[in-house]
Amino acid sequence: QVQLVQSGAEVKKPGASVKVSCKASGYTFSNYAIHWVRQAPGQRLEWMGWINAGDGNTRYSLRFQARVTITRDTSATTAYMELSSLTSEDTAVYYCARGGAGNYPNDYWGQGTLVTVSS
Amino acid sequence: EILMTQSPATLSVSPGERATLSCRASQSVSSNLAWYQQKPGQAPRLLIYGASTRATGIPARFSGSGSGTEFTLTISSLQSEDSALYFCHQYNNWPPYTFGQGTKLEIK
Repeated sequence: QVQLVQSGAEVKKPGASVKVSCKASGYTFSNYAIHWVRQAPGQRLEWMGWINAGDGNTRYSLRFQARVTITRDTSATTAYMELSSLTSEDTAVYYCARGGAGNYPNDYWGQGTLVTVSS
Repeated sequence: EILMTQSPATLSVSPGERATLSCRASQSVSSNLAWYQQKPGQAPRLLIYGASTRATGIPARFSGSGSGTEFTLTISSLQSEDSALYFCHQYNNWPPYTFGQGTKLEIK
């Protein structure tokens, strides 16, 4: 069965960076993209970017483009999302989700990783 | 960026009744529209994609309709476990993909 398992909760200081991992199993990793979506308290889901796990191509939301880097390790079937220059507004649950590199929905999601930014 | 607007914000329906949830896009998204269910503390679960196709394992009482800018999720014969947040997602015009703010469905 398809599973996406994310790394654990993080607490960071303002100005720091955070790196969240997403371990995929149960399918051919390189055949799909991994998307990253975040949900701040009381806010709607917000798409950050995706990586094509096959060729490593990435697309980012303009809102996060300057601060986010999405990578993958095909041998480990794991994707990573690193967000830099954190502020309190980055406090959110971060999800990875399987999808396509184009007009496809996100059919499987990770359990979410809470990132808290606090001084 | 396409704005997705859902209505109502909260819906309270009795067990066995039907719930109708709406989603409107600020411009056409064709049929590239998905619906998700999210329960507290859980990840979103894909219910419908392509505006009207049920995802694997989703009961037939969940149905979707619409195209362009107006979409509807209908849940018939409501059960207590259907109490959740439902949100729509357009994947036609990106970046960015965008999501609705959600409709909270309460079972009386």
